[in-house]
Amino acid sequence: QKEVEQNSGPLSVPEGAIASLNCTYSDRGSQSFFWYRQYSGKSPELIMSIYSNGDKEDGRFTAQLNKASQYVSLLIRDSQPSDSATYLCAVQNYGGSQGNLIFGKGTKLSVKP
Amino acid sequence: SQTIHQWPATLVQPVGSPLSLECTVEGTSNPNLYWYRQAAGRGLQLLFYSVGIGQISSEVPQNLSASRPQDRQFILSSKKLLLSDSGFYLCAWSRVGITYGYTFGSGTRLTVV
Repeated sequence: QKEVEQNSGPLSVPEGAIASLNCTYSDRGSQSFFWYRQYSGKSPELIMSIYSNGDKEDGRFTAQLNKASQYVSLLIRDSQPSDSATYLCAVQNYGGSQGNLIFGKGTKLSVKP
Repeated sequence: SQTIHQWPATLVQPVGSPLSLECTVEGTSNPNLYWYRQAAGRGLQLLFYSVGIGQISSEVPQNLSASRPQDRQFILSSKKLLLSDSGFYLCAWSRVGITYGYTFGSGTRLTVV
């Protein structure tokens, strides 16, 4: 069974620090990788996507992908209290089940002022 | 631009009552559509997905059903709700053949009492 694993947290970081969120996946055929942010009581919001090995930066967010290690991470620089949310990792293999996304259970991030 | 609408936002229903949740997408044609459920403290569970009108795939056997009567309309139904059906129901859409991840609706909080 294809799985996406995340540490459930909570991960607590002080304001201004770097938050590091990690995700591993089991399906070696996965081709697309996504990070969603979900505030309490709200729906998930796509914040980052990455498709090839290496880093991808967007503002304070950096996604990192290592397909050999089956590992995806999200770095949040200069963390703000407004970044406090649950972060969901999602992985996609086009060839299986219509290419449906497989979601991890999420890591809860708390940024302390 | 594309938008996804989901209603109602909250719903309290007695055990044994029927359910109908509706989702519509605007600004695109022939989207892939998805229904997810997120139980309290748990991950996203894919319930149904659809690649076209009248085409429904079920991921989890249960007392729920889905229908797609029009290209951009997706409906989640139940004839008789169970207590275990309580949760946060999310509709999502994606483009066919190109992966930009899924875009979620605002969700319906269902409480079965």
